[in-house]
Amino acid sequence: QVQLQESGPGLVKPSQTLSLTCSVSGGSISSGSYYWSWIRQPAGKGLELIGRIFYSGSTKYNPSLKSRVTISVDTSKNQFSLKLSSVTAADTAVYYCARVDVSFWYFDLWGRGTMVTVSS
Amino acid sequence: HSVLTQPPSVSGAPGQKVTISCTGSNTNIGAGYDVHWYQQVPGTAPILLIHDNNNRPSGVPDRFSGSKSGTSASLAITGLQAEDEADYYCQSYDSSQSGDWVFGGGTRLTVL
Repeated sequence: QVQLQESGPGLVKPSQTLSLTCSVSGGSISSGSYYWSWIRQPAGKGLELIGRIFYSGSTKYNPSLKSRVTISVDTSKNQFSLKLSSVTAADTAVYYCARVDVSFWYFDLWGRGTMVTVSS
Repeated sequence: HSVLTQPPSVSGAPGQKVTISCTGSNTNIGAGYDVHWYQQVPGTAPILLIHDNNNRPSGVPDRFSGSKSGTSASLAITGLQAEDEADYYCQSYDSSQSGDWVFGGGTRLTVL
């Protein structure tokens, strides 16, 4: 079955860029049936949508993060990535990648999440 | 501040029924957009519990059910079990501003 796996540094210094990758296994990111998303969750808080990408490269970002976020896709590696620039302690969170059906708009598959701490 | 409002916490004894509300507006639930529910056991990733208002994915017990009316939706859990203790989130689409998927703030269910 399809699985998602986040990877990347667990510690990022303030003002630097957070970079994460989500690897898709068991299925093709280019199927055209799904959006591929990033969601984060600060400790003890709720879920915040960061943005999404389609295999074609089309993106949509949360307006509150738009100036700092870039999501990209590498269909040859079956991966999509998140870059968040100028990070602060407020960006410390568990970061999840997730899949959304293009027709039904719910997150039907999630990665296990990766904890990213912003600290010097 | 979430676009979809959920109570911070609910509780119930084993075997009882609890409901969790998700209140929106006429730019999301009231506009006819479907509501979906996720269960998140602490320390783990969310999983899809209910989709399209009242549909259970394969493997989700029929103790879980969803409903939607007007600008609100509800998740009902009957025959509470200790393993149901978790955080629950509603999610829909909101057409205001740039339009996008939105989550409720989450509800912590405690099984007494």
